[in-house]
Amino acid sequence: QVQLVESGGGLVKPRGSLRLSCAASGFTFSDYYMSWFRQAPGKGLEWVSSINSNGATIYYGDSVKGRFTISRDNARNSLYLQMNSLRADDTAVYYCARDLQGGAWGQGTLVTVSS
Amino acid sequence: DIQMTQSPSSLSASVGDRVTITCQASQDISIYLNWFQQKVGKAPKLLIYDASNLETGVPSRFSGSGSGTDFTFTISSLQPEDIATYYCQQYDNFLPTFGQGTRLEIK
Repeated sequence: QVQLVESGGGLVKPRGSLRLSCAASGFTFSDYYMSWFRQAPGKGLEWVSSINSNGATIYYGDSVKGRFTISRDNARNSLYLQMNSLRADDTAVYYCARDLQGGAWGQGTLVTVSS
Repeated sequence: DIQMTQSPSSLSASVGDRVTITCQASQDISIYLNWFQQKVGKAPKLLIYDASNLETGVPSRFSGSGSGTDFTFTISSLQPEDIATYYCQQYDNFLPTFGQGTRLEIK
């Protein structure tokens, strides 16, 4: 079965950096778009970024463009999100998901940006 | 960006009731509309894709309809395990956006 396991979340100071990872299994990772979504505490869902199967096509939401970088390693079945210049409003649970729209999701990892 | 207007924001219904949630897109999105269920403390789960297609393993009491700008999500007979927040999502332009969510409670 499809399994997505995020890691790398934690507490970081404003203007700091963090790198999230997502380990995928149970499907042919290199065949799929992959995405990151997030959900601020008590709020709704927000799409963050997506990357196509070979990494050549990437999309970002306006709120993270220029600060976050999505990447993937098909040999390691892994997805990454490098987050720089973090702000308090980046505080959220970050979910790794299969497909552009999120056909399957991981359990999420909490990122807290606070001084 | 394509804006999604979802209503109602909250809903209380009895077990066995028919429940309907609507979602309106700010522009024509064809059938590129999904419905997700999110239970408290859990990740979202895809229920309906491409407006009306039931994801594998999802009970048949869930259904979706619509195209263009107006979409409907229906639970034909509400069950206690359906307590959750439901979100619509469009993905017409490779930039997915969600409705604000509908919190469903049991009376």
